[in-house]
Amino acid sequence: QKEVEQNSGPLSVPEGAIASLNCTYSDRGSQSFFWYRQYSGKSPELIMFIYSNGDKEDGRFTAQLNKASQYVSLLIRDSQPSDSATYLCAVKGDFNKFYFGSGTKLNVKP
Amino acid sequence: NAGVTQTPKFQVLKTGQSMTLQCAQDMNHNSMYWYRQDPGMGLRLIYYSASEGTTDKGEVPNGYNVSRLNKREFSLRLESAAPSQTSVYFCASSGTGNSPLHFGNGTRLTVT
Repeated sequence: QKEVEQNSGPLSVPEGAIASLNCTYSDRGSQSFFWYRQYSGKSPELIMFIYSNGDKEDGRFTAQLNKASQYVSLLIRDSQPSDSATYLCAVKGDFNKFYFGSGTKLNVKP
Repeated sequence: NAGVTQTPKFQVLKTGQSMTLQCAQDMNHNSMYWYRQDPGMGLRLIYYSASEGTTDKGEVPNGYNVSRLNKREFSLRLESAAPSQTSVYFCASSGTGNSPLHFGNGTRLTVT
């Protein structure tokens, strides 16, 4: 059983701070990694993806991948109250199957 | 551009009733998926179809059946609903390679 682990939180940060979300995965052969944001009562929406070791930046979001440590993280700079949501880490494995962590709830306090 | 469309949005069933959740995608994706989401449990894969004509069990297939009707459509059937199947159900699709998952808007199912 492939596993994806996330701290369930809640993670509370003040507005304007950096939020750091972490994820570990068990399948060393995984190649594609995704971060989804999910507001309460809504479906998950893709915010970042990363395939190569290192950092990938998109606006206020930075995804970091370390395949040797089997670790993926998401940094949100200048956090806003509208960033308050649950963040899901997903790993794509064999046969196009996706495995999800249980999500980290982020609260950004004004 | 509709993406992934699933129906219905809400459903209430009595124990033992049956129903089919419908899903269609217009992105020409090969792979389609059904997930359920329960509080504190994250997204759990029920069934998936890697390509038209194939279906495979995921983590929690018991009590469900699926049909990949064609490349666009993938339905999920509950033959005899149980209260344990009360959940939010998401259909999703994906292309090949590093393509991400695209989700439908979800179906909130309550079984009494």
